Amino acid sequence: KAGVTQTPRYLIKTRGQQVTLSCSPISGHRSVSWYQQTPGQGLQFLFEYFSETQRNKGNFPGRFSGRQFSNSRSEMNVSTLELGDSALYLCASSAGGRQQETQYFGPGTRLLVL
Amino acid sequence: GQQLNQSPQSMFIQEGEDVSMNCTSSSIFNTWLWYKQDPGEGPVLLIALYKAGELTSNGRLTAQFGITRKDSFLNISASIPSDVGIYFCAGTDSNYQLIWGAGTKLIIKP
Repeated sequence: KAGVTQTPRYLIKTRGQQVTLSCSPISGHRSVSWYQQTPGQGLQFLFEYFSETQRNKGNFPGRFSGRQFSNSRSEMNVSTLELGDSALYLCASSAGGRQQETQYFGPGTRLLVL
Repeated sequence: GQQLNQSPQSMFIQEGEDVSMNCTSSSIFNTWLWYKQDPGEGPVLLIALYKAGELTSNGRLTAQFGITRKDSFLNISASIPSDVGIYFCAGTDSNYQLIWGAGTKLIIKP
């Protein structure tokens, strides 16, 4: 089975721009969670999608949004980028009954905002 | 909000030494998970624990789900250079929220 894939792997943007990141979960997985990881920091939960619906949300501003498609692929969007948005954005998928199920991570998208 | 305390924050050890790290929570957890993250990569699941008292091994790694359900530890025996990385604990609370520790950075001294 192919693992979780994320595209692009690296991205450079400037302040004020917006960005869309993509995540393809493991085949058969219905839950996709997104995390932000800044250097030396732990994982900050952004949101979780299950069956095209946002099921959980972390404490991030409205500039961060996401969606999930019928094939379980997910995208997250960050509008009006700020320097502090520079981070590794990780996507994780699970079979989906509950978020407690083991999550499998993709390699991440490293975003640099200049 | 819910918090997980993971310690130590970082460890400097000699190759061949045993390593121990732990996580504690302020409330009862239903599952405990241990992940390892290599630089520039996403975390990879090492061990999953589902029952209080459960002790599980994966090669040189051993993890336990504490009897009180509020803690877990991870031990690595006879460390080798490829053990370097950041180890994260994560657990699910009574609301099925997955809570993450801040990570333990493992550095092996040459």
